[in-house]
Amino acid sequence: KAGVTQTPRYLIKTRGQQVTLSCSPISGHRSVSWYQQTPGQGLQFLFEYFSETQRNKGNFPGRFSGRQFSNSRSEMNVSTLELGDSALYLCASSSILSGANVLTFGAGSRLTVL
Amino acid sequence: GIQVEQSPPDLILQEGANSTLRCNFSDSVNNLQWFHQNPWGQLINLFYIPSGTKQNGRLSATTVATERYSLLYISSSQTTDSGVYFCAVEDTGGFKTIFGAGTRLFVKA
Repeated sequence: KAGVTQTPRYLIKTRGQQVTLSCSPISGHRSVSWYQQTPGQGLQFLFEYFSETQRNKGNFPGRFSGRQFSNSRSEMNVSTLELGDSALYLCASSSILSGANVLTFGAGSRLTVL
Repeated sequence: GIQVEQSPPDLILQEGANSTLRCNFSDSVNNLQWFHQNPWGQLINLFYIPSGTKQNGRLSATTVATERYSLLYISSSQTTDSGVYFCAVEDTGGFKTIFGAGTRLFVKA
């Protein structure tokens, strides 16, 4: 069974640009959640999607957005990039069929904003 | 919102030593998970443990939900155990996972 796939793995952008990150969940997993990891703030929850619906979101500005497609793949977008958006962005998928919301993470997308 | 505190923040062990990592959380939670993040950033799920005790090889975990804490035990540590250990909880509102700041472990050969 393929794991959670995140693309791209590394990218460099300049301030003011926008970026789109992609996450393909494990086959059969319908929940996808996103996290931002920085040395100063640690791992912070961005948002969670299930069946194309955002069910919860963290405390981030509106520049951070996401969506989920009918095949459960998800994308997140950051507009008007700031230096502080440099981070490792992690995506996790989960299936609640067993009653346990166990998260499986992808390898992450490392964004550098210059 | 719910607060998750992990201790100690840093830990240095000699290979073969045992250790206990602690996670305290401020409110009732739906579930609790322990993760290990390797030097390349990959987060690996170690335990899904909303309550009770589980063991997997040299690792074991115990969660006492009524007292709002969880412990991760590492026995006979190896250099490959180095990395950051995170505790993460899902709040009772659902669909939102909160991570602690982590315990950074270094195991010396």
